[in-house]
Amino acid sequence: QQQVKQSPQSLIVQKGGIPIINCAYENTAFDYFPWYQQFPGKGPALLIAIRPDVSEKKEGRFTISFNKSAKQFSLHIMDSQPGDSATYFCAARVDNAGNMLTFGGGTRLMVKP
Amino acid sequence: DAGVTQSPTHLIKTRGQQVTLRCSPKSGHDTVSWYQQALGQGPQFIFQYYEEEERQRGNFPDRFSGHQFPNYSSELNVNALLLGDSALYLCASSFDPGGYTFGSGTRLTVV
Repeated sequence: QQQVKQSPQSLIVQKGGIPIINCAYENTAFDYFPWYQQFPGKGPALLIAIRPDVSEKKEGRFTISFNKSAKQFSLHIMDSQPGDSATYFCAARVDNAGNMLTFGGGTRLMVKP
Repeated sequence: DAGVTQSPTHLIKTRGQQVTLRCSPKSGHDTVSWYQQALGQGPQFIFQYYEEEERQRGNFPDRFSGHQFPNYSSELNVNALLLGDSALYLCASSFDPGGYTFGSGTRLTVV
């Protein structure tokens, strides 16, 4: 059962554009929402994370927007660069139930020069 | 400071065989989790080890088993391999209850 749905599956933007990746979840017990970046041949690396008591969080060029009532959250990449080309995963976790993460299906981002 | 180390990086096995994958956690981390990532999909949680015990398990059959050693390193064992077990197997370590550091994974191909 997929509890975190991610869209789009792939995304192509020009350098400097703002790709937006969306995720929706079903389990209202989730209370920690990280985003991971994965390059080919590597494991996922944590980019940024948010908890549902805030609606937005920024770290450098990466911003998470969170809509608790809609059970949706999104990742925005400002001033995207070719080096941002990677696969991005959203995830969710129930904070008091160990560290198990439920991942979305991933978005393959290509930033053209 | 080494991160999470997994071995081997790649291996090929035949259907029905057994395989053991190994993981050394990041220094200072005491919890190890294993994930299976099929091609083009997100990682799926297999199980987590803490204090040498399986603490949490995902929706995987008993063919998947694991172990954690006193030095916090861990093994993932898969018996009676199926073609569908072909995937990237990721190990993630953490200092309970902190965030993960993932290794680069072991690419398993079952033929």
